[in-house]
Amino acid sequence: DTAVSQTPKYLVTQMGNDKSIKCEQNLGHDTMYWYKQDSKKFLKIMFSYNNKELIINETVPNRFSPKSPDKAHLNLHINSLELGDSAVYFCASSRGDRRSFGYTFGSGTRLTVV
Amino acid sequence: SQELEQSPQSLIVQEGKNLTINCTSSKTLYGLYWYKQKYGEGLIFLMMLQKGGEEKSHEKITAKLDEKKQQSSLHITASQPSHAGIYLCGAHSSTSGTYKYIFGTGTRLKVLA
Repeated sequence: DTAVSQTPKYLVTQMGNDKSIKCEQNLGHDTMYWYKQDSKKFLKIMFSYNNKELIINETVPNRFSPKSPDKAHLNLHINSLELGDSAVYFCASSRGDRRSFGYTFGSGTRLTVV
Repeated sequence: SQELEQSPQSLIVQEGKNLTINCTSSKTLYGLYWYKQKYGEGLIFLMMLQKGGEEKSHEKITAKLDEKKQQSSLHITASQPSHAGIYLCGAHSSTSGTYKYIFGTGTRLKVLA
């Protein structure tokens, strides 16, 4: 069973479109994250979310919005896609307590905007 | 598949002491990244190493990628309570055309004041 699953794995779309990437975790974790992997290959956090708080990285354009229908899902919506949005996006989850950091990543979604 | 193993798993040091965390890969590393995670927060990028023998420093944290490019060490000098958190190494791996980003097992650091 995949612990953190993202769909789709690959997404090619035109500029100006609106798209969503889905993320689901079956680990019972209470905190989920979205990361963008930039051209230098390191991860930059976009959002972290648990059932109490949404923390947004202030550098993230407001065209990006997280949607969480329940604790096991955190979807990423992107409006009016731009060329610079092309990247690999990773979803992750972790336990929110101090006993275990149980940090798990999805396999990533490669977004290409043309 | 490629794996990253970190040691030690957890570390408790007195403030002011130096410490080292290691990250060992089962395959050659072509890019190694160090992150720090504080409780309740996401990963914070610390530094990236690409070339064998490369060494980078940021404030009191120094990371090095060994010549054979299968191990990296993260060294903290004169540790402070603000250094406490979980340190993770990460690397991108491409096996049979499948792109993957993998993480080490993590090292939990506590610094006693």
